[in-house]
Amino acid sequence: GAVVSQHPSWVICKSGTSVKIECRSLDFQATTMFWYRQFPKQSLMLMATSNEGSKATYEQGVEKDKFLINHASLTLSTLTVTSAHPEDSSFYICSARGGIPHSGANVLTFGAGSRLTVL
Amino acid sequence: TQLLEQSPQFLSIQEGENLTVYCNSSSVFSSLQWYRQEPGEGPVLLVTVVTGGEVKKLKRLTFQFGDARKDSSLHITAAQPGDTGLYLCAGAVVGYGNKLVFGAGTILRVKS
Repeated sequence: GAVVSQHPSWVICKSGTSVKIECRSLDFQATTMFWYRQFPKQSLMLMATSNEGSKATYEQGVEKDKFLINHASLTLSTLTVTSAHPEDSSFYICSARGGIPHSGANVLTFGAGSRLTVL
Repeated sequence: TQLLEQSPQFLSIQEGENLTVYCNSSSVFSSLQWYRQEPGEGPVLLVTVVTGGEVKKLKRLTFQFGDARKDSSLHITAAQPGDTGLYLCAGAVVGYGNKLVFGAGTILRVKS
């Protein structure tokens, strides 16, 4: 079945450094990928929509310069948390549209998530 | 205000009991999905419903889409500890582009 691979699964970094998270669709092409942030025991909060070959669309309140998104190919989107601070610590999840045959255009395949801890 | 209201937020039941989770909205959805998520992992798709009044069954799970496509429910029969997790409904709102809107989630704990 469709697989979205997210890497790294977890990362610990020092305050002020930048961290890059990769999201890959392994066996299908994804022109659109989504990045979410999730706090413990809460739902997913959409941060931005990543569009292959064009600029990402950010949700209201999400800082574009803080969370850099690049979608350079049909199978890879990256999220870079720049100058990370402890309040950026969270579980970040990506998803890609498609990859599940006959499921409709709105069904998403999710990555396993990346837990970021900023010290 | 949440576009998609999900309830209850938390449910703790004994093994063997039945339960129902609800998702409601004033908006019409072109489709609605239910996902299950375990700690430290991404959500996994359980089902997609697209037709008003549609009922889908997945073993002990029964999913229903309201006639007006504004609400949905997930019913679990004879819950088992393995059903424990976060259940999320997500809908594609008509006229809202293809962006999925997520409910707040229901944390289900099934005790043996």
